[in-house]
Parts: sequence; C-alpha cells; structure tokens
Amino acid sequence: QKEVEQNSGPLSVPEGAIASLNCTYSDRGSQSFFWYRQYSGKSPELIMFIYSNGDKEDGRFTAQLNKASQYVSLLIRDSQPSDSATYLCAVSDTGRRALTFGSGTRLQVQP
Amino acid sequence: EADIYQTPRYLVIGTGKKITLECSQTMGHDKMYWYQQDPGMELHLIHYSYGVNSTEKGDLSSESTVSRIRTEHFPLTLESARPSHTSQYLCASSVRAGGAGELFFGEGSRLTVL
Repeated sequence: QKEVEQNSGPLSVPEGAIASLNCTYSDRGSQSFFWYRQYSGKSPELIMFIYSNGDKEDGRFTAQLNKASQYVSLLIRDSQPSDSATYLCAVSDTGRRALTFGSGTRLQVQP
Repeated sequence: EADIYQTPRYLVIGTGKKITLECSQTMGHDKMYWYQQDPGMELHLIHYSYGVNSTEKGDLSSESTVSRIRTEHFPLTLESARPSHTSQYLCASSVRAGGAGELFFGEGSRLTVL
C-alpha cells in the first residue's frame, strides 16, 4: 500500500465549478499536510498546508483534514482554466526526513 | 518567492559520462533535498541533507552521490550515467528545524541519457 494515495484522474470540471481533490494517507503519525500544484514540465509550487482537523481557507482554495479517517482534501471554487495542472498531496510527521508525495491528480478545467 | 536554482535545466549525454547537477539556494536554509520524478509519477526522495557535511540517502535507491560543503550548495553527481538514469531531478530546500515543512523547489534538471 502506498503511503499517500491519490486518484490519478484526469478530473474534468467546467469553468466556474468546484473541483474536489482527495488524498488518503497510511501513517497515523502524520502531522502536516500540504497541497502542491505542478504544471506540466514545471516544478511543484505550494498552494496550502494544514495541520489541524477541520477546514482552512485561502482565497478560492479550501483544505480539509480528517485525521480520524486519514483523509485530506482540496476544494477549488470558481475553477479557472489556469487551474488545470496536477495537484500533489504531501504528508509529513515529526520523524520524517522529508515530505512524502502522492502521485498527483490531474485536473482539467474546461472553458 | 523562493530563491533556489538548478543547472543545467536540460542535459542530453551519452552512456558512461560523469555528470553533476548543480543546486544552489540563497535563503540560508539548512535542509536540502533531491527528488527524482518520472513523467506522470510521484516524487521520490533520493538524497537529503540537514546541514554542512550531513548527507543521507532517501527512500529510492540511487547510484548518484551528493555533497554539502557549503550551506547554499547541494550538487548531485552520477559517476557513470546510464539510460535508466533518464528522469527529472528536483532540488528543494526547507527552513523548518523539526520534521519536514514547506519545501521550496528549484525548476528542475531534466536528464536524458542515450
């Protein structure tokens, strides 16, 4: 079982819709959770991080964390074609040397 | 905006050549990392460093080696490149002292070994 699992997609949504991206992780000791966006041929860039159960909002993005279910999600409201990219979920705990990444979900926002 | 630089961005070389991928950051971060990523696949940690003269191997076995003589510089070397080394190599740094925090990535070095 992979440590961080994501549906590879593609997830296709119309412009203006809400895109929902999901991630599960296997290590119950995980404490920090990150969402990165990666455009094709580019390096990952951080969108949001979340440490506590519940929701965290930043502009059009909302991260949701449920540690009991070992589940973290990213909601993108009012999706734009420029949001089309691969979204990587990454997980860390205090014992880890570095972040562990999922393989990413490819999002396509159709104009 | 993160200041972490990788060179070369693209490299095509023949089998058996020695190559060094350069990575430098100007943020004074102690922690630096090398990840390997094939197209459409997840990032795999191949090396990391917590500071000068500290280097460790990551989760993915790699024939590459790294050095950390200066805080800002973390080069990766392949003594004898093979086609199986063809991949994207991403360098990253982090400021957090405990655990793993936000990573700042360089633009990557795409290596093709013929």
